[in-house]
Amino acid sequence: GENVEQHPSTLSVQEGDSAVIKCTYSDSASNYFPWYKQELGKRPQLIIDIRSNVGEKKDQRIAVTLNKTAKHFSLHITETQPEDSAVYFCAARTMEYGNKLVFGAGTILRVKS
Amino acid sequence: NAGVTQTPKFRILKIGQSMTLQCTQDMNHNYMYWYRQDPGMGLKLIYYSVGAGITDKGEVPNGYNVSRSTTEDFPLRLELAAPSQTSVYFCASSYSFGQGGETQYFGPGTRLLVL
Repeated sequence: GENVEQHPSTLSVQEGDSAVIKCTYSDSASNYFPWYKQELGKRPQLIIDIRSNVGEKKDQRIAVTLNKTAKHFSLHITETQPEDSAVYFCAARTMEYGNKLVFGAGTILRVKS
Repeated sequence: NAGVTQTPKFRILKIGQSMTLQCTQDMNHNYMYWYRQDPGMGLKLIYYSVGAGITDKGEVPNGYNVSRSTTEDFPLRLELAAPSQTSVYFCASSYSFGQGGETQYFGPGTRLLVL
């Protein structure tokens, strides 16, 4: 089945710097890759997603890139702010269980002001 | 729109007790899911449903059961609670496949402690 690995597990950056989180997946048939942000004690919320027919997608300070050949995708956050501090999860959609998402283990992002 | 709601927010169970975690969505989504999130870990799929009357196992179904009698409700049943089931449980829902149908919307979670 699908396996998603996420790195790094923790990331500390200075306010205003960029942050990059990387994920790799194993199932070449996976075709949808969302990123979720989870603040402490809250529910995961979708921040950006990308489909396999697109190489890059941007939404203001957030961007996601996808390399299908290498089977990896990355989240880029520019001009980080303290409110970006949270746990970020990547996921890949596999057809094995309906619309199932397989999640990475998460990255704790700390933005220091 | 309330979105996805879950009850209770927090529960302490003794080993061997049973309970049902409730999940309701008002977005007319046909897909619903139950995940567990252990500390410092990602989300693991327990069970999912593609519509009323249809359920299937996810990655970690042992010790749980589900039912889906309506589009809106997807309860998760723990029959004999064990300490290994201490976790935060999230319910989620989505439309089916296709453009825009992949986004899963999560409920606020139920924190369960089994002692």
